[in-house]
Amino acid sequence: DIQMTQSPSTLSVSVGDRVTITCRASQSISNWLAWYQQKPGKAPNLLIYKASSLQSGVPSRFSGSGSGTEFTLTISSLQPDDFATYYCQQYNSYSLTFGGGTKVEIK
Amino acid sequence: QVQLVQSGAEVKKPGSSVKVSCKASGGTFSTYTINWVRQAPGQGLEWMGGIIPMFGTANYAQKFQGRVTITADKFTSLAFMELNSLRSDDTAIYYCARGYVEEVRTGPYLDKWGQGTLVTVSS
Repeated sequence: DIQMTQSPSTLSVSVGDRVTITCRASQSISNWLAWYQQKPGKAPNLLIYKASSLQSGVPSRFSGSGSGTEFTLTISSLQPDDFATYYCQQYNSYSLTFGGGTKVEIK
Repeated sequence: QVQLVQSGAEVKKPGSSVKVSCKASGGTFSTYTINWVRQAPGQGLEWMGGIIPMFGTANYAQKFQGRVTITADKFTSLAFMELNSLRSDDTAIYYCARGYVEEVRTGPYLDKWGQGTLVTVSS
């Protein structure tokens, strides 16, 4: 299975900060990568697919980049609603794997 | 707008089985995939397997091979996940999620999720 490693595991930030989360794959996955946001007690919500395509309805402050084995999720200016845990997921094959998650918390 | 509604919480004994359902409404069911993802308390997301309702073919994570069965009925827009030989570390929230496959030979990204079903395994 392809292993997905996210960093950092926790980020302490303030409203208005630029936030960058990194996800690394154990082998090349081209651009078959998705990002999700999960808030406590809720199901995950799709933000980005195909590494950089913004899902309909997701604010434009979210963006994704990367290909091959290294990917980033960027939040250009963190808003109060963005405090949550973020996961990457590869879909290079139909054996899906998720990163361990990055919790974005208030500094 | 498609909605996925799952069955209610379950409490099971170790060694028993659980079957969770997922009902899709308001959108196309059979042309997407339906996947099951679980989340143990305070932990991350773990994909268990998925099925293409149109064909009835399922893919399973190696970890769950032989212990999980995923089925779907395209006529009733219902999907099921059955997990056998339950252990205490199977205690988790189980989500169904609709998956969209962009290209043949790749897997899906998950664009719609159910509300989750808490399964508690305890003696």
